Amino acid sequence: DSGVTQTPKHLITATGQRVTLRCSPRSGDLSVYWYQQSLDQGLQFLIQYYNGEERAKGNILERFSAQQFPDLHSELNLSSLELGDSALYFCASSVGAVQDPYEQYFGPGTRLTVT
Amino acid sequence: LAKTTQPISMDSYEGQEVNITCSHNNIATNDYITWYQQFPSQGPRFIIQGYKTKVTNEVASLFIPADRKSSTLSLPRVSLSDTAVYYCLVGDVNNAGNMLTFGGGTRLMVKP
Repeated sequence: DSGVTQTPKHLITATGQRVTLRCSPRSGDLSVYWYQQSLDQGLQFLIQYYNGEERAKGNILERFSAQQFPDLHSELNLSSLELGDSALYFCASSVGAVQDPYEQYFGPGTRLTVT
Repeated sequence: LAKTTQPISMDSYEGQEVNITCSHNNIATNDYITWYQQFPSQGPRFIIQGYKTKVTNEVASLFIPADRKSSTLSLPRVSLSDTAVYYCLVGDVNNAGNMLTFGGGTRLMVKP
């Protein structure tokens, strides 16, 4: 158990819909990262937040957005869903210190299926 | 951002030592090298991180030559449970805009 929690575990929805994925980081971690993992694209970094502010942006679509709240939990919003958005979405957290931003702790993931 | 190249897959047998090499020819001065392990349908798990020479922890060793253009993850005496995908990452710890690219990883199959 990494200490990172993600809800829901599974999500099935239809094309065109909007969903929200939730992540709670490990206690004390200030950084939250979101990743998408699909069969044909591997693990893709989407976005990072550090203490409530966006810190790094990866291959995140305009239909996707995220935020980190004052209690440090984060939400990833996916809208106008397409079949190709079906994937595992992972959240990770780290202390966020400059010295070791890559020691990330990953949650169990949310499996999104778009039908 | 330094690009990494790893073998797509490797096979080994229980009890053997496994070495997975990652090439990162354009590694920058501030870049660190980090390895993760991922089991199917689970999030990656941090294994080890290093900057130069050799780093060892209870799980693995990381060997980094002086030119830092490659690194080798060494797993001593693997077991069936070490069957997983192993990712090598290289990134600048001082760059707030750095992307965290996992790449394709190396699929390790440990056989009995």
